[in-house]
Parts: sequence; structure tokens; C-alpha cells
Amino acid sequence: KQEVTQIPAALSVPEGENLVLNCSFTDSAIYNLQWFRQDPGKGLTSLLLIQSSQREQTSGRLNASLDKSSGRSTLYIAASQPGDSATYLCAVVGDKIIFGKGTRLHILP
Amino acid sequence: GAVVSQHPSWVICKSGTSVKIECRSLDFQATTMFWYRQFPKQSLMLMATSNEGSKATYEQGVEKDKFLINHASLTLSTLTVTSAHPEDSSFYICSARATAAGYTFGSGTRLTVV
Repeated sequence: KQEVTQIPAALSVPEGENLVLNCSFTDSAIYNLQWFRQDPGKGLTSLLLIQSSQREQTSGRLNASLDKSSGRSTLYIAASQPGDSATYLCAVVGDKIIFGKGTRLHILP
Repeated sequence: GAVVSQHPSWVICKSGTSVKIECRSLDFQATTMFWYRQFPKQSLMLMATSNEGSKATYEQGVEKDKFLINHASLTLSTLTVTSAHPEDSSFYICSARATAAGYTFGSGTRLTVV
């Protein structure tokens, strides 16, 4: 049974810092891994999708990496801004989509 | 890009009544849609997989008679919460696979049963 863990559960950092969010999964038989952002009371916004054959994807200040063999993915956010404050969810896509519990990020102005 | 439209965004209903939530794929056809539930500060839990033209597949522990799913066309899936009770109050989100773009999610429906 696939289990997805995200560390840390919550994070508060000053504006401008670079930060890393971690996601680990137990079953390496995945199709892809997707990072989402969720604002309070809102739906999900897709940030980055990494196919199982890829190692990383970049979009603007965001960079996501994937190491299938070790069951890990990281989301790197450069030069953080207050607008980045949200919950970030990692989703592993195999036969089903399994979500982690998320990392609640708060960027301090 | 692929867009999934979900309505309503929020609903308040009386205990014992039924509520229908709609999920539409606007610019692509979705043979399969997924329904999730999210309790406060919890992750999304898959409730069921909705297949166009056939019966939905429910996850273990999800009552199929309580959460009715209909996927009558390639662009519309509905979730009806029947005889809703306060414990059904939650955030419900649908999603669809938009080919290489991965999964696209609706904006969610906040259900409050009073």
C-alpha cells in the first residue's frame, strides 16, 4: 500500500529565503508525481508534474526533483514571497493518486 | 489548459436533505473522474472513481448508497450526498486526468450540514 509522507508539516520562514519541502513515498512503482498548492478553503492548483522517467521539473522560482529509487521528491522554492504562503501537497500517481498530508508554509513579510 | 469546473463552491443544507455537486471538464473529455473528501487540516482522501457510462468504483469504507455518483457524459460527473448529516460536512473536490498534463482539480465544494 502506497504511503506518502511530507516533511515538515509546517514551516515559517522570513521572506526572501530559499526553502525545501520534502515528500517521500513507499512504493516506487509510480507513473508520475505532482506537486500542488492549496490556499485555505480553496481547491488545488497544479505546480509541477514530474513523469516517472524524469529527474526534475522547473517553473519560475519552483524546482521539483524526483528520485524514484529512494522514494523521494523535493520542492525547492527560491526567494520566497508572502504570496507563497499556502499548503503544498505532494501527490503520487500509480494505480491511484495518493496525497501526502501537506506542508503548511507561512512566509513572514 | 485543462480546466475542471466544480459547482457549487459552497452549500449549507439541513440534516436529512440531499445535495448534488457537479464537476465538468470544460475543454477536454474525461472518461474517468475522481472524487475526494478533505477534512480540516487533513489530506485529500479518495472516495470513488467515476467512469463514464458505468458504475463508480468506491474506496473501502465509503458508502455507495450515501454518496451517489453519476457520470453520464464525457464532461460531467455528479456526486450526490443523500440524507446528509453533520458528519458529512467536509470539503469535496473532483479531479480528472487531462492526459500529459496530469490531474486537474476542481475548485472544491464546502458542504456544511446543519
